[in-house]
Formats: sequence, structure tokens, C-alpha cells
Amino acid sequence: QTVVTQEPSFSVSPGGTVTLTCGLTSGSVSTSHYPSWYRQTPGQAPRTLIYTTNTRSSGVPDRFSGSILGNKAALTITGAQADDESDYYCVLYMGSGIWVFGGGTKLTVL
Amino acid sequence: QVQVVESGGGVVQPGGSLRLSCAASGFIFSSYGMHWVRQAPGKGLEWVAFIRYDGNYKYCEDSVKGRFTISRDNSKNTLYLQMNSLRGEDTAVYYCAKGTSSGLSPFDIWGQGTMVTVSS
Repeated sequence: QTVVTQEPSFSVSPGGTVTLTCGLTSGSVSTSHYPSWYRQTPGQAPRTLIYTTNTRSSGVPDRFSGSILGNKAALTITGAQADDESDYYCVLYMGSGIWVFGGGTKLTVL
Repeated sequence: QVQVVESGGGVVQPGGSLRLSCAASGFIFSSYGMHWVRQAPGKGLEWVAFIRYDGNYKYCEDSVKGRFTISRDNSKNTLYLQMNSLRGEDTAVYYCAKGTSSGLSPFDIWGQGTMVTVSS
């Protein structure tokens, strides 16, 4: 069974740039997987950042961008801020109506 | 303001049933696919089920097939999740999420979630 992979944790300095990735244990991620990105702080509902590879959700600043990098989907955050410290999840469409989330990346800003 | 609001969570014994509801407002509900996503305590997000805008196509995750049923009432702008034969591993916050289009599409708007606890 193919699993969606994400870095378990990542750290970035304030003002810095970080790229989180979303891959597959078997095969490459493409736009056909409609990769989408969400972030969540403890006790809160998820918030949509990017959907369908690179479309920013309403109200999301352009510091957040999505792309395909090599064989993975990527979320790039520029000008990292303290309140970017969150869990970040990607989701991929696996076909036959099925969506699968990655395990999430815990981003630390320090 | 586009929003979805879940309700119906609670404590239920193993083997029991529960129906979750999701009230939508601020958008044309009948034009969008809708999803349910859950999150067990301390765990990551897990997609549960999807229903197309017209209710004619439904998909669900393997572990809930045959136990959970997603449905919608477009006249009431409401999404449902009927959960039967509940197990301990179904304990989670259940989120309703609006799709980004009428067909198969990822989600953009999320509700605040409703907690389901399966315990004796």
C-alpha cells in the first residue's frame, strides 16, 4: 500500500525560507494527485493553505506557495514568522475517490 | 461568510450508532462536493468520506466501509455522516470540509469539528 510521506519535523529561523515536501513511498507525485496543504495548531481546526498544487486559499498570504519539485509536492514558506509554528499536512488524491493524508510535519520557528 | 458547522458528536458504546450533521452557509451548498475528515486524539488527519454535489457519487476510506454512510440534503444545506458499528478506533474529532468544486476535489473550508468518543 502506497503511503504519503512528509518530514516529521523541520525548523526554520525567523525571516527564513523553508520547503516542506509531500511524497509517495511508491511513485512520483504529480498534479493529478491534486496535492493540497493544510496547517493546524493544537486544539484548532485545520486551515487550508494551498489546494490543487498551487492555488492559495482565500486570505492566505503569498508567503505560502505550492509546487511540484522533482517527484514530490512542495510547500514553500518565505519570511517565516513565529506564528507559522504549526503542524503542516498534505493530502493527495490516490484515485478511485480516495484521498490520503501525509503524517504531518511539525514546523518549529526558532 | 462561508462556513460549515458540525454537530451530533458525543459518547457512544462500542457497537453503537451516531449521526453527525454539518450545516453549511454562505455558499451554494448544492454546487460543491463535501468531505468528512477525522483526527484521533494526538494523531494526524485522516480522510473519511466524500460525496459529490448531487449525492450520486460517494466514496469512503476502507476502514469505515460498510459501517459509515455519507449523505446530504441539498434542500436543507446539510451534510450527514451515519456511523454504525462504532469501534474504539473511531474515537476522534470529526471535521466537515467543503470541496473546492462540484466533483472530486480537495477541501478548502473546514468546520470546528465535533468529538466522537467510543467507550464503554
